[in-house]
Amino acid sequence: GNSVTQMEGPVTLSEEAFLTINCTYTATGYPSLFWYVQYPGEGLQLLLKATKADDKGSNKGFEATYRKETTSFHLEKGSVQVSDSAVYFCALSVTTGNQFYFGTGTSLTVIP
Amino acid sequence: DAGITQSPRHKVTETGTPVTLRCHQTENHRYMYWYRQDPGHGLRLIHYSYGVKDTDKGEVSDGYSVSRSKTEDFLLTLESATSSQTSVYFCAISERSEGAKNIQYFGAGTRLSVL
Repeated sequence: GNSVTQMEGPVTLSEEAFLTINCTYTATGYPSLFWYVQYPGEGLQLLLKATKADDKGSNKGFEATYRKETTSFHLEKGSVQVSDSAVYFCALSVTTGNQFYFGTGTSLTVIP
Repeated sequence: DAGITQSPRHKVTETGTPVTLRCHQTENHRYMYWYRQDPGHGLRLIHYSYGVKDTDKGEVSDGYSVSRSKTEDFLLTLESATSSQTSVYFCAISERSEGAKNIQYFGAGTRLSVL
């Protein structure tokens, strides 16, 4: 079946620290992979995506590389800011059934 | 921002009453989805639609029904609300199911409490 597993939270970092949030997946076929971010009281917003192996998605200093050999799509940022505090969701989509599959989310708090 | 409006934004209701949540889009996207978000579960798909009057079940469809009579509107109905349906409900839309435009855009959510 299709599923996403992401690291448990919550994660607390100091400003300017390096961030990694791990995400691994199981999928039939060749999925597209996504990271979404949810700020308090809001819906999810697309952060970045990758549609094939070895693609790197990037946005706002965040990056993630689609690794088929390790079935992973880890989110990284070199220097986090207080404004990055949010919940981050890894997701995959498969064309069969037109569905997305989301991880459980990782809460990030960045302290000054 | 994608033009997605969910209504109501907050609702408190009693067990056993019917509840309808509305999702309205102005993007003319073909695909629409209803999710629920619960702690420890992330987002779980309830139902989705791939066109007017074309809908299908998701992972957690029991106790929910949907209707899509127009491209822009997707309704979620709880026929007889239960406390286990207390959750935050999100609507999402997407233009395509594959390729570069296979991106889901989310509404702001509806917080439902069933007492």
